[in-house]
Order: sequence, then C-alpha cells, then structure tokens
Amino acid sequence: RKEVEQDPGPFNVPEGATVAFNCTYSNSASQSFFWYRQDCRKEPKLLMSVYSSGNEDGRFTAQLNRASQYISLLIRDSKLSDSATYLCVVNGGTSGTYKYIFGTGTRLKVLA
Amino acid sequence: GAGVSQTPSNKVTEKGKYVELRCDPISGHTALYWYRQSLGQGPEFLIYFQGTGAADDSGLPNDRFFAVRPEGSVSTLKIQRTERGDSAVYLCASSLGPSTTDTQYFGPGTRLTVL
Repeated sequence: RKEVEQDPGPFNVPEGATVAFNCTYSNSASQSFFWYRQDCRKEPKLLMSVYSSGNEDGRFTAQLNRASQYISLLIRDSKLSDSATYLCVVNGGTSGTYKYIFGTGTRLKVLA
Repeated sequence: GAGVSQTPSNKVTEKGKYVELRCDPISGHTALYWYRQSLGQGPEFLIYFQGTGAADDSGLPNDRFFAVRPEGSVSTLKIQRTERGDSAVYLCASSLGPSTTDTQYFGPGTRLTVL
C-alpha cells in the first residue's frame, strides 16, 4: 500500500462547480499535512496547510480526519484557473523525519 | 525575495555519463531537500540536508547518486554512470528549518533526459 494515496482523476468539472478530493495516508504518526498545487511543467506550490480543526482560504477548504487517516480538499465555485494537479502531502511520522511524502496528484480540469 | 533556483533547467546526457545538478535555496533557509518526479507521479524524496550535513539520505536509489552541501547553502546532486531510468525532473526545495510544520518551497526543477 502506498503511504499517500489519491485518485489520479482527471476530474472534469464545469465552471462554478464544487469539487472535492480525498487523500488517505498510512502512517498514523504523521504530523503535518498539506495540499500543493502543480501546474503543467511547473514546480509544486503550497496551496494550504491542513489543520485538525479544518481551515478555509477563500474558495478552498481543507479537512483532516486523523481517526480515518484522510485529508480532503473542497473547491467551491471552480474557476478555469483552478485547472491543475493537486498534490496531497504528508510530513513527519518518525522523530526527525522531515521529508514530504507526496501522493500521485489529482488532475482537475475546469471547463468553460 | 528570490526563490529557490536550480540550474540547468534542462540537461540532456548520454547513458553512462556523469551529471551535476545545482540548487540555490532561499537565503536563510537551513533545510534543503532533493526530490525526483517522474511523469504522472508525485515528487519522490531523495535526500534532506540540515545545514551542511545530510540528515536523511534514505531516498537515494543507489550509490550512483550523491549530494553535497559544503557550505550549508548551495547544494549539488551528482549522478554517476547515468541510466535511462534516471530521466526525470529533479526538484529542490528549501525550508526555514527542520520543523515538520515549516513550508517547503520548491525550485523550478531540472529536467534530466538520459539518451
């Protein structure tokens, strides 16, 4: 089983739609969680950190469920510019381990 | 301010050759990471430096891969006797410190093609 699993998609949604991605992780000791966005042939860029209490940034909402070991990202009112790959990232889990473990990414295409 | 920079942006080499990939982290960032990304996959961890020392090199695939960071700033990833399977985008990231909550900022990557 992969340490971080995501549905690769693609998710094709019309503009204005609400779309949600889930990600599961295997290491229950994992400490930090992030969503990164990656545009085609570009580097990953931080979209948002994911906190236990959940957090929201404009149209984006991230949730963490430690009991079930999954993370979610909700995008409301999708824009054409949201088209990208969304990478689920898990950090930590072993004392002194700071490397990121990435999922394969979920491709989103927002259609006009 | 300046972000993470990587050179070259593209590198084409022949099987069996030696290559060096350079990463210049954000000024003041003590932690530096190398990842490798193959097509359709997420980045895969290679090695992590805290200061000058390699704190975790568990992701290096074999002894053909080596990385240094002699002065705690710029890092070089070195690949000996390249193989076609080494073709990928090599990403460097840096963060302020080794805290698990510190954000890692990525450079644009070096696209390595081994013919």
